[in-house]
Amino acid sequence: EAGVVQSPRYKIIEKKQPVAFWCNPISGHNTLYWYLQNLGQGPELLIRYENEEAVDDSQLPKDRFSAERLKGVDSTLKIQPAELGDSAVYLCASSFQGQETQYFGPGTRLLVL
Amino acid sequence: SQQGEEDPQALSIQEGENATMNCSYKTSINNLQWYRQNSGRGLVHLILIRSNEREKHSGRLRVTLDTSKKSSSLLITASRAADTASYFCAPRGSQGNLIFGKGTKLSVKP
Repeated sequence: EAGVVQSPRYKIIEKKQPVAFWCNPISGHNTLYWYLQNLGQGPELLIRYENEEAVDDSQLPKDRFSAERLKGVDSTLKIQPAELGDSAVYLCASSFQGQETQYFGPGTRLLVL
Repeated sequence: SQQGEEDPQALSIQEGENATMNCSYKTSINNLQWYRQNSGRGLVHLILIRSNEREKHSGRLRVTLDTSKKSSSLLITASRAADTASYFCAPRGSQGNLIFGKGTKLSVKP
């Protein structure tokens, strides 16, 4: 069974540029999560989807961050414009609805110069 | 917040020794999960313990939960160099989200 796929794995951009991350969850998983992980910290939830509906986006900085999950499968997280403080690892995870175990992708490491 | 807080922040042991990591949290939970993260990788689920359970085993892992003290511990027995990683506890409350702490960085020396 394929795991959670994320791309790109690494991204270097200049500040004020836009950037997008893509996530393909495990087949059949209808719950999808985006997390932000700063160096030396644990993951922090940005947004949680149940199918195509964002059920918890309270921690998503909506002035510059946006996310979508069209058709309830793949998801894209976008930052526009990026700031220096956005440098971090962006993790995607998925789970079966109602199940507590989350399966994480390898993450996208973003560096904003 | 119900965020898990792991202790110690870092732990260095020799191969074959046991490693114990502790977690404390502040509010009531439905369950508590432990995850491992190898350097530069995503998190891997290790074990889940429900609020009505006191102890759970999985291979070389033993997790305890004391809801009266709002604490949990993860014991790794007979550690191996491959156990070198960061370990996170994640309490799960009624709203369904996991709240991760800063983790314990474990180093197992061969």
